[in-house]
Amino acid sequence: GQNIDQPTEMTATEGAIVQINCTYQTSGFNGLFWYQQHAGEAPTFLSYNVLDGLEEKGRFSSFLSRSKGYSYLLLKELQMKDSASYLCAVVDSNYQLIWGAGTKLIIKP
Amino acid sequence: DAMVIQNPRYQVTQFGKPVTLSCSQTLNHNVMYWYQQKSSQAPKLLFHYYDKDFNNEADTPDNFQSRRPNTSFCFLDIRSPGLGDAAMYLCATSRVREPLEQFFGPGTRLTVL
Repeated sequence: GQNIDQPTEMTATEGAIVQINCTYQTSGFNGLFWYQQHAGEAPTFLSYNVLDGLEEKGRFSSFLSRSKGYSYLLLKELQMKDSASYLCAVVDSNYQLIWGAGTKLIIKP
Repeated sequence: DAMVIQNPRYQVTQFGKPVTLSCSQTLNHNVMYWYQQKSSQAPKLLFHYYDKDFNNEADTPDNFQSRRPNTSFCFLDIRSPGLGDAAMYLCATSRVREPLEQFFGPGTRLTVL
């Protein structure tokens, strides 16, 4: 079967750094997405990795290791508005998105 | 701005009363998706279209149907909603080729009384 694992919930402090991990076992791999989803809203795109390494985009960075089936999302200089769920999703060999259940990130002042 | 629009944002229906949710897009994407998402769960793919080619996920109940009359519009019909169908319904679009990013509409929150 296909599986995406992420922690259910994480807590961090405003201004700090947090790393959200994602491990996956899928039939094939054609890229990995990170989406942000605020409560009651639709997911919005954060990042896309298809090659190994780090992709940096402002305060957010995403890392991929295909050999380890592993990715992480790094959020720096945390702000209260970063409180949301972060979903990891992998494109499988059929070009279908396999979604993780998301990591709820709670930011405390 | 190019976007994905869903109507209505909130829908209340009665147990067993058919309901239709709509989605439109101005992105001119070939692929459209319908997802069901319940609280604290991953989005669950119900259907997707490559242009007019319809793809039904194996575990999507027969109670759910979909129509795509043209590139811009897609509909989700729930023939006899049950209490377990209360959820957020998300419409998304994407290109066929990379980048494969999916663009989501704001969602329709369905309540079944």
